[in-house]
Amino acid sequence: NAGVMQNPRHLVRRRGQEARLRCSPMKGHSHVYWYRQLPEEGLKFMVYLQKENIIDESGMPKERFSAEFPKEGPSILRIQQVVRGDSAAYFCASSPPSPAMNTEAFFGQGTRLTVV
Amino acid sequence: QQQVKQSPQSLIVQKGGISIINCAYENTAFDYFPWYQQFPGKGPALLIAIRPDVSEKKEGRFTISFNKSAKQFSLHIMDSQPGDSATYFCAARKTGANNLFFGTGTRLTVIP
Repeated sequence: NAGVMQNPRHLVRRRGQEARLRCSPMKGHSHVYWYRQLPEEGLKFMVYLQKENIIDESGMPKERFSAEFPKEGPSILRIQQVVRGDSAAYFCASSPPSPAMNTEAFFGQGTRLTVV
Repeated sequence: QQQVKQSPQSLIVQKGGISIINCAYENTAFDYFPWYQQFPGKGPALLIAIRPDVSEKKEGRFTISFNKSAKQFSLHIMDSQPGDSATYFCAARKTGANNLFFGTGTRLTVIP
């Protein structure tokens, strides 16, 4: 049973370009979360999605950032017109259909975005 | 605003010693408190978790102590080993919610 798969592992973009980060949840998991980790900091929640629905995007910047989790295929975190401040590690986590009392979220290995 | 405060930022412990990392929170809506271990270049992995209805949980060399009245919880690593060297994050989740609030992390180094 493969874990949460993120790709690419490393992504370099020039300022103004678009970055697309992909996340395939664990088998049987239909809930996906995106977190951002700045250097020397903890993870900050960005968005929580279920298949075809955004449930909570309270941590997403208002501009340039978007996320989707289509019926088929991986979840995508999209950053338009990247700036140097977007450089960070972006982690995806997934959990089973009932993320309640006794379930945990499993994290992928992250995508390290560098904006040059 | 940091909802979960973690200390120390870094910690050096001799092999065989006890590593202690502390976290504090204010929001009484939190009802789930996990600890994550992260190695360089890897994602966080759940180590151990506790709910506020118990004051202590032990799994092998790892123990969480929870003080509900003080709104504090801590991770104790007994007989620390060089392989424990990693960054440790405490986190908290609100009742009925799905996202986690993380502390800022503690970089643990266990020296032989």
